[in-house]
Amino acid sequence: GQQVMQIPQYQHVQEGEDFTTYCNSSTTLSNIQWYKQRPGGHPVFLIQLVKSGEVKKQKRLTFQFGEAKKNSSLHITATQTTDVGTYFCAGTQGGKLIFGQGTELSVKP
Amino acid sequence: NAGVTQTPKFQVLKTGQSMTLQCAQDMNHEYMSWYRQDPGMGLRLIHYSVGAGITDQGEVPNGYNVSRSTTEDFPLRLLSAAPSQTSVYFCASSYSDRGIEGAFFGQGTRLTVV
Repeated sequence: GQQVMQIPQYQHVQEGEDFTTYCNSSTTLSNIQWYKQRPGGHPVFLIQLVKSGEVKKQKRLTFQFGEAKKNSSLHITATQTTDVGTYFCAGTQGGKLIFGQGTELSVKP
Repeated sequence: NAGVTQTPKFQVLKTGQSMTLQCAQDMNHEYMSWYRQDPGMGLRLIHYSVGAGITDQGEVPNGYNVSRSTTEDFPLRLLSAAPSQTSVYFCASSYSDRGIEGAFFGQGTRLTVV
């Protein structure tokens, strides 16, 4: 079955530093979604990527979908304390949304 | 617009007890799913449904049952609770499996089995 691997599991950065999390799938993905979960909260949808090589930006967040549609990344430029949380990627297959293990980001002021 | 509503928010069960976690959505979404979240394990899919009357197993279905008699409701039943089922449970719904809005999650149910 489809497996989605995400690294790193944890990332501690100084405020202002950049942050990147990577997502890899064992199979070709039809699309990939990214979510953010604040501590104690529930996952909140950020974005969906569909096309091979697609790049989308949301303010300081840049999302990429690999050419082979088997990997993706989320890059945050100049992190802020409001970026704290766990970032998940998720791939869809036949109605199922399969999540990676997530990357927990902590930001030191 | 309530979105996805899960009840209860917290629950403590004794080993062997059964219970139902409730999930309701008011967005007329066809797709609904249950996940459990454990430290370091991410969100693991328990069961999902692509429409009323249709359910299927996810990654970790053992010990759980679901049914989908209406579009709005998707309850998750624990048949005989075990300590390994201590977790945070999330219900999610979406218009489709690749909608531009993604999945909407409930607030979660924190379950402890003693």
